[in-house]
Amino acid sequence: DTAVSQTPKYLVTQMGNDKSIKCEQNLGHDTMYWYKQDSKKFLKIMFSYNNKELIINETVPNRFSPKSPDKAHLNLHINSLELGDSAVYFCASSRTDNTEAFFGQGTRLTVV
Amino acid sequence: DAKTTQPPSMDCAEGRAANLPCNHSTISGNEYVYWYRQIHSQGPQYIIHGLKNNETNEMASLIITEDRKSSTLILPHATLRDTAVYYCIVRVYNTNAGKSTFGDGTTLTVKP
Repeated sequence: DTAVSQTPKYLVTQMGNDKSIKCEQNLGHDTMYWYKQDSKKFLKIMFSYNNKELIINETVPNRFSPKSPDKAHLNLHINSLELGDSAVYFCASSRTDNTEAFFGQGTRLTVV
Repeated sequence: DAKTTQPPSMDCAEGRAANLPCNHSTISGNEYVYWYRQIHSQGPQYIIHGLKNNETNEMASLIITEDRKSSTLILPHATLRDTAVYYCIVRVYNTNAGKSTFGDGTTLTVKP
């Protein structure tokens, strides 16, 4: 079983569209995250949710809106997609009393 | 979180030990050293962490200097599958395990 799974794995879309990326974890973790890895391979945290509540919101355009329907899911919705949004987006999860985070396999988003 | 400095790239012969250094001269007393790696096109993977004592697990060993200003990750018998980008991260223990500041890392290439 995949611990942290993201869908879709690849997403190609046109500028101006709205798209969502889904993330699910079956580890029983209570904290989930979204990271963005740009073309230069720099990995940067975007959001963190703990028990369905937003606890970290780094400097991210408000076109990006995370939604957590329950502890096992953290979806990322992006409005009005721009060329600069092209990147690999990683979902991750952890327990608040644990030391390591588990990452999904990533979603490669290409905006054309 | 304290800043870390790693060499951009290293090579290692298959079957030999890979020693990856990390400088973290501004580390605080309550910050741990964590290591993750990212194999091409996959999500980051936790390897090991430590505070001040040397640590070993099934994947690697972590040697932290007595003044804690630097550390070395050791892969005892590197294989081709260990080719990856290795990230050294320092952060406070048990605070949002997934909220890590990833730097540029070291690209380790294991050669046959």
